[in-house]
Amino acid sequence: GEDVEQSLFLSVREGDSSVINCTYTDSSSTYLYWYKQEPGAGLQLLTYIFSNMDMKQDQRLTVLLNKKDKHLSLRIADTQTGDSAIYFCAAPREGGKLIFGQGTELSVKP
Amino acid sequence: DAGVTQSPTHLIKTRGQQVTLRCSPKSGHDTVSWYQQALGQGPQFIFQYYEEEERQRGNFPDRFSGHQFPNYSSELNVNALLLGDSALYLCASSLRSAFEAFFGQGTRLTVV
Repeated sequence: GEDVEQSLFLSVREGDSSVINCTYTDSSSTYLYWYKQEPGAGLQLLTYIFSNMDMKQDQRLTVLLNKKDKHLSLRIADTQTGDSAIYFCAAPREGGKLIFGQGTELSVKP
Repeated sequence: DAGVTQSPTHLIKTRGQQVTLRCSPKSGHDTVSWYQQALGQGPQFIFQYYEEEERQRGNFPDRFSGHQFPNYSSELNVNALLLGDSALYLCASSLRSAFEAFFGQGTRLTVV
């Protein structure tokens, strides 16, 4: 199947850590993405992780990949109000077609 | 580098009409993909163009067609518009050999 699933909403306080979770069904993806979408805007590539990695850190962002459970997570440290957006995980298929989850709306309260 | 640019940004059409959306890829990119994002949903793959040919197609009817020009820019055409075609249409560009896809700001299509 081509399912990528995410929880729909997450609310955190400014300064806390946010963890956004994603599960996928097709284990053949060689890499997985996280995109950010601000209101009325397109998608911004935040980070990606290759399937042969368990973890990738990029400044405030940490991506964890559990291949056994087909679970991907994005941790945002010291979450700021500017991080409020919708976050999508995406898995590529042969030829580069991307399969997206429904998106997780992150709300950061001051 | 202007990145991926799409035009127009917003569009209102009537049911039954036809629409053309345009995309200029990021400089140096040769592959263009189109996605439809309905309100509250993730983007859904429509099709991909490379070397002026449709290479992959998602689960969309033949009313959705496209074109890629020699300068790699692309058009998405939708015929016989339905209310359900109202969505944000996103264009993504990439290098055929690379894995990073960059998205434009999208065209918001409203069908009334």
